[in-house]
Amino acid sequence: EAGVAQSPRYKIIEKRQSVAFWCNPISGHATLYWYQQILGQGPKLLIQFQNNGVVDDSQLPKDRFSAERLKGVDSTLKIQPAKLEDSAVYLCASSSDRARNSPLHFGNGTRLTVT
Amino acid sequence: GESVGLHLPTLSVQEGDNSIINCAYSNSASDYFIWYKQESGKGPQFIIDIRSNMDKRQGQRVTVLLNKTVKHLSLQIAATQPGDSAVYFCAENEGAGNMLTFGGGTRLMVKP
Repeated sequence: EAGVAQSPRYKIIEKRQSVAFWCNPISGHATLYWYQQILGQGPKLLIQFQNNGVVDDSQLPKDRFSAERLKGVDSTLKIQPAKLEDSAVYLCASSSDRARNSPLHFGNGTRLTVT
Repeated sequence: GESVGLHLPTLSVQEGDNSIINCAYSNSASDYFIWYKQESGKGPQFIIDIRSNMDKRQGQRVTVLLNKTVKHLSLQIAATQPGDSAVYFCAENEGAGNMLTFGGGTRLMVKP
C-alpha cells in the first residue's frame, strides 16, 4: 500500500511569512495526526483528526497554527505568521482507526526553516 | 538529508553484535508502547509494539521488554547490521485516545 504522502519536502521562509503543508494519509485511514519534530527531539503531537473532526488540538498554538481536514481525507497545516522557533520537521501520520493501541504510520515530513 | 538527533545519546556497536536500547517512560497509566526507527531525512518507521499486559514480545531480529515496576522499556536488536543505524524512539499511549507521546531518542551507530 502507498504510504503517507507529504509536500513540500522542504520550505524556507522568513519570519512573519505564512506557510502551508499538505498531507495525504494512507487510503482508508480515518485518523490523521500532525506532529512537530524539532531537531534533536522526539515528535510532539500538534493535532489529531478523526475523519473531518478534531479529536485533540490541545498542543496546537492556535494563535498562529491552524489545520483542517475538510473532506476527511487530505489535510493541510498552516502557520501564520511564522516565528524562528517554528523551524522543525512537520510530520503527518495516519492510523486505521481511532481505537486505542493501533500503530501510527508516518510520512517523511516537511522540513521548515524560518529565517 | 538532514541529520536527526544531533545531540542525542549514542550507542555504538560492532556489526554482528546485539544492541540494547533503553527507554524510561513517564506515565504508569500508559498501556501501549511502540518503538520507532527514524533514518536521516525520513519519518519514523514502526518496528514493534507491546501492550501493558505483556512483558516481552519478539519480532524479526527485535525483542521488546517491558518492566512496568520501574517504568522501563528496552529494544533488543540481534545481529546488528549497518542498515540498523538510525535514531530509535520509544513512544507511549498515555491518553484516552490513540495519541502517542515520544521519548527523546537514541542514536544507534553500527561499525562495520
